[in-house]
Amino acid sequence: GAVVSQHPSWVICKSGTSVKIECRSLDFQATTMFWYRQFPKQSLMLMATSNEGSKATYEQGVEKDKFLINHASLTLSTLTVTSAHPEDSSFYICSARSGKGTKNEKLFFGSGTQLSVL
Amino acid sequence: SQQGEEDPQALSIQEGENATMNCSYKTSINNLQWYRQNSGRGLVHLILIRSNEREKHSGRLRVTLDTSKKSSSLLITASRAADTASYFCATDSASNTGKLIFGQGTTLQVKP
Repeated sequence: GAVVSQHPSWVICKSGTSVKIECRSLDFQATTMFWYRQFPKQSLMLMATSNEGSKATYEQGVEKDKFLINHASLTLSTLTVTSAHPEDSSFYICSARSGKGTKNEKLFFGSGTQLSVL
Repeated sequence: SQQGEEDPQALSIQEGENATMNCSYKTSINNLQWYRQNSGRGLVHLILIRSNEREKHSGRLRVTLDTSKKSSSLLITASRAADTASYFCATDSASNTGKLIFGQGTTLQVKP
């Protein structure tokens, strides 16, 4: 199956710093990537849809200036948590579909990034 | 709420027993998918069932879909300790947004 690589796996940072998380599709081109957030023992909450070459679409309640998404190429999307605070500590997971349209319906997930803000 | 509901929230069984998890959702869908997540890891796709399908099998997995009740079930037969994980259903809306919305998940523990 398709492989999505997410880096870093975990990061610890001080409050007020910014953290960048990368999501790469290794063997396919991903025109659309999705960023999810997951708190302990909870489900995945969709944060935003990242479209190659255009602005991301954010879900209601997600601050676009706080969570900057860049999808500059067909194989790379980045999520930057700006001025991180302890409440931003969470597990962030990216996912991608290979190809366009509804023919490719299932998502391939990265292994996630555990962010801890001190 | 963005998400559907799954029950039970947690399930503990002995190896060899069957495990059944249920999922309910709110909107019309194109398809419903089941994913598995090991602790602290990403998700792995298990099976997809389309809105015009009622039942689907894949190995030890059996999924049913009842669109009139907006519900689905995942059955794992002859469970193994390695099946211990969290299981999530996810719906692909008929409005064709391309987004997958996840249920709350069921944590399954299979005791050896």
